Amino acid sequence: ETGVTQTPRHLVMGMTNKKSLKCEQHLGHNAMYWYKQSAKKPLELMFVYSLEERVENNSVPSRFSPECPNSSHLFLHLHTLQPEDSALYLCASSQDLVPGVDEQYFGPGTRLTVT
Amino acid sequence: AQKITQTQPGMFVQEKEAVTLDCTYDTSDPSYGLFWYKQPSSGEMIFLIYQGSYDQQNATEGRYSLNFQKARKSANLVISASQLGDSAMYFCAMREGGGSSYKLIFGSGTRLLVRP
Repeated sequence: ETGVTQTPRHLVMGMTNKKSLKCEQHLGHNAMYWYKQSAKKPLELMFVYSLEERVENNSVPSRFSPECPNSSHLFLHLHTLQPEDSALYLCASSQDLVPGVDEQYFGPGTRLTVT
Repeated sequence: AQKITQTQPGMFVQEKEAVTLDCTYDTSDPSYGLFWYKQPSSGEMIFLIYQGSYDQQNATEGRYSLNFQKARKSANLVISASQLGDSAMYFCAMREGGGSSYKLIFGSGTRLLVRP
């Protein structure tokens, strides 16, 4: 495996379900990110982790709960979601949280549908 | 006010021709970076090119070049010799300097369709 992987690729869940999204990066990076991409809206940063510590929680509702057990893995735990939470959830990683051309590498995303 | 504006929701280009995708930005920070990403239908965002606010020359990466006009606050992406595989969504993004330097602010994107 190379780059950033995400599982599952597609997820349909009811509003009362609990599910988790998984992200894994094989790049040796120290920073990981969760983004939400809704239809017709710009990409929104949700959470940022650096060296397994959360450094950003961008006013995200508590029904989204991130977890970063180590620098290679990032989870997004979901519970009691709303239909408006249906979106593409993208994970990304970067070498560190530094300025400059430290581009973020993205995974393929999880397409989430809340019914 | 939007930080990143992409005014072209959709664009067509003939295969082998060049195309310019527009991006304007708004910041008062003298230090910032501008990025372009490509998102095919498969979903992943692919980094294409970067321009730093202090870079003297326009960035180039293969068939991609960035037309950076600092005074106009524009950072247009030019794709030369378009290929069918270039059909995708293209996002312009900015990272401002300072304490929030890791934050990427994305535009709404431009959907490019390359015609054979």
